[in-house]
Amino acid sequence: KAGVTQTPRYLIKTRGQQVTLSCSPISGHRSVSWYQQTPGQGLQFLFEYFSETQRNKGNFPGRFSGRQFSNSRSEMNVSTLELGDSALYLCASSAAGFSGGLETQYFGPGTRLLVL
Amino acid sequence: ILNVEQSPQSLHVQEGDSTNFTCSFPSSNFYALHWYRWETAKSPEALFVMTLNGDEKKKGRISATLNTKEGYSYLYIKGSQPEDSATYLCALYSSGNQFYFGTGTSLTVIP
Repeated sequence: KAGVTQTPRYLIKTRGQQVTLSCSPISGHRSVSWYQQTPGQGLQFLFEYFSETQRNKGNFPGRFSGRQFSNSRSEMNVSTLELGDSALYLCASSAAGFSGGLETQYFGPGTRLLVL
Repeated sequence: ILNVEQSPQSLHVQEGDSTNFTCSFPSSNFYALHWYRWETAKSPEALFVMTLNGDEKKKGRISATLNTKEGYSYLYIKGSQPEDSATYLCALYSSGNQFYFGTGTSLTVIP
């Protein structure tokens, strides 16, 4: 099976712009979750989508949003970019979602966003 | 926000040495703990899912133990090889229906 793919891999934006990142899960997986990693921080949970519905959300401002399509592909959007949004954004897929924490998550390679 | 701590932050060992590192978490908030290996320029790769107090998992030279009562998990690597060089992450799944990641232990195995 093909793994989780993310596009683009690298992105440079300026403050105030918006950006859309894409994640294609492993075939058959219905859950996609998104994480942010900034220098010195562990992965921070953004949100989880399952069957086109956002099921869980982390502690991020409303500038961060996402959606999931019927083929389970997911997009994450960040509006009004700030310098602090510069980070590595990872998505992960699993078959049934968080399921009490027992499901293995499969991560993509990430999108590295630089905000100037 | 739950605090998941990993120690040490980084580690350099000689090829053939055995090593271990720690993931600490609030014991009252445990549902499951995941370990990942993250090699440079690659995706994090799942190693183990730990669920029960006293749980012990093994995959080749790598094993992990769990103590939910005292809030820690150990990851052991026996006879480290250069290909074991990576950052090892732990992630706690808790009642907030999300994963809380530690900042990782960076392991370098010197040939």
